[in-house]
Amino acid sequence: DTEVTQTPKHLVMGMTNKKSLKCEQHMGHRAMYWYKQKAKKPPELMFVYSYEKLSINESVPSRFSPECPNSSLLNLHLHALQPEDSALYLCASSQGVAGRGREQFFGPGTRLTVL
Amino acid sequence: DAKTTQPNSMESNEEEPVHLPCNHSTISGTDYIHWYRQLPSQGPEYVIHGLTSNVNNRMASLAIAEDRKSSTLILHRATLRDAAVYYCILWNTGNQFYFGTGTSLTVIP
Repeated sequence: DTEVTQTPKHLVMGMTNKKSLKCEQHMGHRAMYWYKQKAKKPPELMFVYSYEKLSINESVPSRFSPECPNSSLLNLHLHALQPEDSALYLCASSQGVAGRGREQFFGPGTRLTVL
Repeated sequence: DAKTTQPNSMESNEEEPVHLPCNHSTISGTDYIHWYRQLPSQGPEYVIHGLTSNVNNRMASLAIAEDRKSSTLILHRATLRDAAVYYCILWNTGNQFYFGTGTSLTVIP
């Protein structure tokens, strides 16, 4: 199984809502990532989890709260988002940590719209 | 942060080779060069990576300049399914990496 799954595929939320994005992989990977991608732009790294611990936070606003409850699961909790946060949110995983040219496997993304 | 520079777009005829260039003049000695591609409405997909030597796999070849300040992704025979945005990325041992702006490849039948 070389798949990263993300749910939901689409999400529409108001600025006062609280919602969560979910990502799952069963490849035994120990590094997991959240990216944000605006239309016609490259993905931007948000967070990196390594062995279930947050290792990189790319100065992301606190209205985005990541969580890694176990080695297969990665959540992104959303609260008080702004319309400019509307984007495609991508999850990825890789075997092991740090550099060394690890291949990342990406999920299909969650398309988020904030009204 | 080391950055990459790529042409915005390129075209290729079907079944011909494609050479996609990437400049990374600020690359450090431990940065790996990765290439990913993103088809419409999909997440990025790994293509190939290398450190110093040229690399081949079933999808493509990666040619790395001797000074490592540039690299070229080579698709040997472009097909319509290769139409995508191709990203050149530097990945360092700090597990930090930044996608370049990407090259949108159009394959002409």
